[in-house]
Amino acid sequence: GNSVTQMEGPVTLSEEAFLTINCTYTATGYPSLFWYVQYPGEGLQLLLKATKADDKGSNKGFEATYRKETTSFHLEKGSVQVSDSAVYFCALSETSGTYKYIFGTGTRLKVLA
Amino acid sequence: DAMVIQNPRYQVTQFGKPVTLSCSQTLNHNVMYWYQQKSSQAPKLLFHYYDKDFNNEADTPDNFQSRRPNTSFCFLDIRSPGLGDAAMYLCATSRPYREGRDTQYFGPGTRLTVL
Repeated sequence: GNSVTQMEGPVTLSEEAFLTINCTYTATGYPSLFWYVQYPGEGLQLLLKATKADDKGSNKGFEATYRKETTSFHLEKGSVQVSDSAVYFCALSETSGTYKYIFGTGTRLKVLA
Repeated sequence: DAMVIQNPRYQVTQFGKPVTLSCSQTLNHNVMYWYQQKSSQAPKLLFHYYDKDFNNEADTPDNFQSRRPNTSFCFLDIRSPGLGDAAMYLCATSRPYREGRDTQYFGPGTRLTVL
């Protein structure tokens, strides 16, 4: 079946450091891939998405590229801020029928001033 | 702004006392989802509606029910909450058209406490 494997957290970085959160997937067909961010006590906010191979999603300085050859969708940001502290979820959308999501386990990011 | 709204944001109930959580959307999306999220875990899909068509996940307990009276509203009913049902409940919607239908938009969640 389809699955998403996400980097274990927590990840602790200093402000302005470079961020990478790894995400790999297993899927049949060509799923869409997503990164969501969840701030404490809040719902999930769509951060970025990519729908086909080599697509790059980007938003608020975050980027991720859909790599079919390595089945990966790693999240990167060049310079993190304290306000980026949150939990980040990688997800894929199943390609049949209901388009249900398969989520990764989430990675908690803590950015120190 | 078009959005997904959940009420209340915080709900406290007693063990065994029925509770209803609500979700409304102004996005006019055909599909609505209910998720349960426990601390430090990924959201777990309970069920979803495509229009009026209800789709239950195989491992969703019978204690959880849902109603969707119209396109805009969806309700989650927990008939006899147990301590293990304390969690964040998230509502999400997705668009009716194939292009973009795969993107889910989430509400802010309802934090349920069971005493």
